[in-house]
Amino acid sequence: AQSVTQPDIHITVSEGASLELRCNYSYGATPYLFWYVQSPGQGLQLLLKYFSGDTLVQGIKGFEAEFKRSQSSFNLRKPSVHWSDAAEYFCAVSYSGAGSYQLTFGKGTKLSVIP
Amino acid sequence: EAQVTQNPRYLITVTGKKLTVTCSQNMNHEYMSWYRQDPGLGLRQIYYSMNVEVTDKGDVPEGYKVSRKEKRNFPLILESPSPNQTSLYFCASSDLYQGVKDQFFGPGTRLTVL
Repeated sequence: AQSVTQPDIHITVSEGASLELRCNYSYGATPYLFWYVQSPGQGLQLLLKYFSGDTLVQGIKGFEAEFKRSQSSFNLRKPSVHWSDAAEYFCAVSYSGAGSYQLTFGKGTKLSVIP
Repeated sequence: EAQVTQNPRYLITVTGKKLTVTCSQNMNHEYMSWYRQDPGLGLRQIYYSMNVEVTDKGDVPEGYKVSRKEKRNFPLILESPSPNQTSLYFCASSDLYQGVKDQFFGPGTRLTVL
């Protein structure tokens, strides 16, 4: 079964510092990878996605992520964190191909930002 | 406006009383899905549907039923709710071409089963 691991449950950074959230997925021939953000009491918003092509993808709110097939990783980065980035972040994976219609989420990483 | 709507947004019920949470999307998406979110567990997929009359189990289908009689609607049915089904539920929809693409999520339904 496909799986997603987000090793960090909770991360705290200072405002203005750089950020990297880790995501590892179980092996699959052609993964579709996503990062979602959930602010307190809100629904989920798509930050960025990877389907194919350039392995460095840009998203909204200044976020980017890099797909590394050799490491089965899709880490999320931001060069300078703002206080409004405090939220919970979820990595998700699905796979292309017949019969692969299940979407699996990681357990999430909660980000706290110190002013 | 493209959106996924869920009703009700909040529901408190008692054990064993059948309930339905509705989900509707206006984007003509083929794929629809239900998730539950619990602290420390992230989102777990309950059921999904690839098109009308085509549904399949996700990771945690026990105690739930779904139906897809129309493309825009995908209700979640709890025939006999139990306290362990107390959770935050999200419906989502997306295009479906060579796999699941980015999903639009509804606002969530917070269910409490006493």
